[in-house]
Amino acid sequence: DVKVTQSSRYLVKRTGEKVFLECVQDMDHENMFWYRQDPGLGLRLIYFSYDVKMKEKGDIPEGYSVSREKKERFSLILESASTNQTSMYLCASSWAGGQPQHFGDGTRLSIL
Amino acid sequence: AQRVTQPEKLLSVFKGAPVELKCNYSYSGSPELFWYVQYSRQRLQLLLRHISRESIKGFTADLNKGETSFHLKKPFAQEEDSAMYYCALSGANSKLTFGKGITLSVRP
Repeated sequence: DVKVTQSSRYLVKRTGEKVFLECVQDMDHENMFWYRQDPGLGLRLIYFSYDVKMKEKGDIPEGYSVSREKKERFSLILESASTNQTSMYLCASSWAGGQPQHFGDGTRLSIL
Repeated sequence: AQRVTQPEKLLSVFKGAPVELKCNYSYSGSPELFWYVQYSRQRLQLLLRHISRESIKGFTADLNKGETSFHLKKPFAQEEDSAMYYCALSGANSKLTFGKGITLSVRP
């Protein structure tokens, strides 16, 4: 069974802090994704990666960056956290060129 | 551009009633459509995909290219079906575009 693990279920940070959200998958998937999930807005894609050291912007990349140094790990970085980045963040992975995407449990991030 | 529309935010039905969760899409090519489900305190998971043409937990969904729809149906709702349901579309680059989701509440 595919396992996508996000490092924290809950995280509280302060405005202006640099925040790292980590995601690891164990299925050797090529594709990895970061979404944020907000009530009434559904899931919105922040960034995705097709391969190590490759990244592409999703629909709402502003204020975020990502890092993929190893195939199994995809990190989301908030360079200077702001209160409007308070949200549930979901990581997902999938095989190259295909579906379905497999999701982690999510990280509920609060920026105070 | 690809777009997914779920016109309703909430559907509340009694146990045993039929359920239809609506999904419409916009995409210029040949889309791949999915329904994902998120039960309370659980991770988002795939419910079904149109190319499989299978029934999962009694749910079915048929892709109607003429109406650009992919509605999710179940003839008799169960309490354990209560969850958030998302329709999603995959285009040529493996990106998923999600609808805004609908909360299904099945009352006893």
